[in-house]
Amino acid sequence: DTGVSQDPRHKITKRGQNVTFRCDPISEHNRLYWYRQTLGQGPEFLTYFQNEAQLEKSRLLSDRFSAERPKGSFSTLEIQRTEQGDSAMYLCASSSGAGANYEQYFGPGTRLTVT
Amino acid sequence: AQKVTQAQTEISVVEKEDVTLDCVYETRDTTYYLFWYKQPPSGELVFLIRRNSFDEQNEISGRYSWNFQKSTSSFNFTITASQVVDSAVYFCALRRETSGSRLTFGEGTQLTVNP
Repeated sequence: DTGVSQDPRHKITKRGQNVTFRCDPISEHNRLYWYRQTLGQGPEFLTYFQNEAQLEKSRLLSDRFSAERPKGSFSTLEIQRTEQGDSAMYLCASSSGAGANYEQYFGPGTRLTVT
Repeated sequence: AQKVTQAQTEISVVEKEDVTLDCVYETRDTTYYLFWYKQPPSGELVFLIRRNSFDEQNEISGRYSWNFQKSTSSFNFTITASQVVDSAVYFCALRRETSGSRLTFGEGTQLTVNP
């Protein structure tokens, strides 16, 4: 049973460029979450999918951010026209189970540095 | 609104000491879930425990124990006989009952265990 994987692990980009991150959840998990974590802070929720449907988006997810989960398996998070304030660790998590009695399992994260 | 407060930003102890990490939460919900996650230097968040709001029994798992008190809205975490490998950032988190709901994290406590 492999865990949540994320690619790339590190990304350095210049301001104004577009970047895309990928998350592969645990195989039987139908729920997938994206969080952002800046230095010295706890993770902050960005968005959530159940299967291929994006059910919730945070106000943190500006128009420059878009997330997809086209076949209900892996997900991508794209940031357009990156800004220095986008520099952060982007964490993906997945979970399974019906109802509310479950926990989220996190991947290793993608660290984005915008120069 | 949901809020989690971890007042201790950093704690430093000597190996074999006991240490308690504090967590205070705010929610208007009557049913909710509380979590602790560990984030070692590698960066990946590791799930430690989930506690339901209707279950106030304390829990012990090896050197780890958790004290949940609804009356004071606290969910504290104690490590007994700390070890160097316990050095990490520890996050407390809160989730609503709603299926698929986001995690709200505290700002974390950096624990350093010195040999």
